[in-house]
Amino acid sequence: RKEVEQDPGPFNVPEGATVAFNCTYSNSASQSFFWYRQDCRKEPKLLMSVYSSGNEDGRFTAQLNRASQYISLLIRDSKLSDSATYLCVVKRGSYIPTFGRGTSLIVHP
Amino acid sequence: SAVISQKPSRDICQRGTSLTIQCQVDSQVTMMFWYRQQPGQSLTLIATANQGSEATYESGFVIDKFPISRPNLTFSTLTVSNMSPEDSSIYLCSVGGVDTQYFGPGTRLTVL
Repeated sequence: RKEVEQDPGPFNVPEGATVAFNCTYSNSASQSFFWYRQDCRKEPKLLMSVYSSGNEDGRFTAQLNRASQYISLLIRDSKLSDSATYLCVVKRGSYIPTFGRGTSLIVHP
Repeated sequence: SAVISQKPSRDICQRGTSLTIQCQVDSQVTMMFWYRQQPGQSLTLIATANQGSEATYESGFVIDKFPISRPNLTFSTLTVSNMSPEDSSIYLCSVGGVDTQYFGPGTRLTVL
């Protein structure tokens, strides 16, 4: 079983839609969780950290479920510019990140 | 935040040759990471480079194939040795702490 698993998609949604991605992790000792965004031919960039209490940043909401070992990302009111690959990242220890294979999102007019 | 530069940005190489990729960070960092991202795949950690000690390699990666140097706290190199077409990939340098991870722009390698 892979350490971090994501549905690769693609998720194809119209503008204005709400879309949710899930990510599961296998190492129960994982300590830190993140969502990164990667545009085509670009390096990944941090979208948001994921906290146990859940956190929201504008149209984006991230949640962590330690008992079930998954994290989620919810995007409301999708924009064309949200089209990208969303990478789930889990850190074991304090510094070693492991990446999921990413979920592709395509937002169409 | 950290600003990371990599050289070269891209290269096309013949099989059997080696390429050294340079990574420069604008601040001193303890740990630097080297990743590979093959077409359509996510990032795979090759090794963690610590200044003053040998790099720590992940399963499936060995020092003879991917030697790493870390001469100081702002610089590292990754060499892809005896290349084959399967080494065609994007190689990314990264630094980070507990809360975030920063990436260089990547080196796009094509092996013919």
